[in-house]
Amino acid sequence: AQSVTQLDSQVPVFEEAPVELRCNYSSSVSVYLFWYVQYPNQGLQLLLKYLSGSTLVESINGFEAEFNKSQTSFHLRKPSVHISDTAEYFCAVSNSGGSNYKLTFGKGTLLTVNP
Amino acid sequence: NAGVMQNPRHLVRRRGQEARLRCSPMKGHSHVYWYRQLPEEGLKFMVYLQKENIIDESGMPKERFSAEFPKEGPSILRIQQVVRGDSAAYFCASSPLTGLTEAFFGQGTRLTVV
Repeated sequence: AQSVTQLDSQVPVFEEAPVELRCNYSSSVSVYLFWYVQYPNQGLQLLLKYLSGSTLVESINGFEAEFNKSQTSFHLRKPSVHISDTAEYFCAVSNSGGSNYKLTFGKGTLLTVNP
Repeated sequence: NAGVMQNPRHLVRRRGQEARLRCSPMKGHSHVYWYRQLPEEGLKFMVYLQKENIIDESGMPKERFSAEFPKEGPSILRIQQVVRGDSAAYFCASSPLTGLTEAFFGQGTRLTVV
């Protein structure tokens, strides 16, 4: 069985401040890792994913996440946030082999960016 | 190319009624997945379907819930005799191949049982 822990349910920050949203997972097999973002009243959008290769992955809007296998973490970071980054962020994991359609999600972190 | 379309966006049902949730996958996608998000929880896998086939329904409650993805038309998640505990957001995702590495999610249907 897999599990995902997002340590912070809410993270308030000021605009242009750096932010880190923490994600730890447990799994007995190799994994794929994902971050999804859910803007208010919208569906989930894939922000970035780690499948293999470089452990540092980046999104087009300035977020990055680093896969740390020894610490079983996949923290999401952005050096300078904008008001428009206010949303709920979900970390998720799946098997890298069969059944990789079954994502296990964390409970989410609500990022609120204040002016 | 429209994204994954779910309707209705909001659905209110009285206890004991039936709820039908629809999901139209992206064009060219033949794999559909349903997830449920209970209040204060992360999304949980319910079922994986391909056209006319249920591949994995290990996350579906054993009673009252069913899903289909016919040859023509949208995928349907059906909940019979709804109870208050069924109140949740139901999300559908689709992909061109099996797996969620290239999947897109819809906006979800928020079901409220009163």
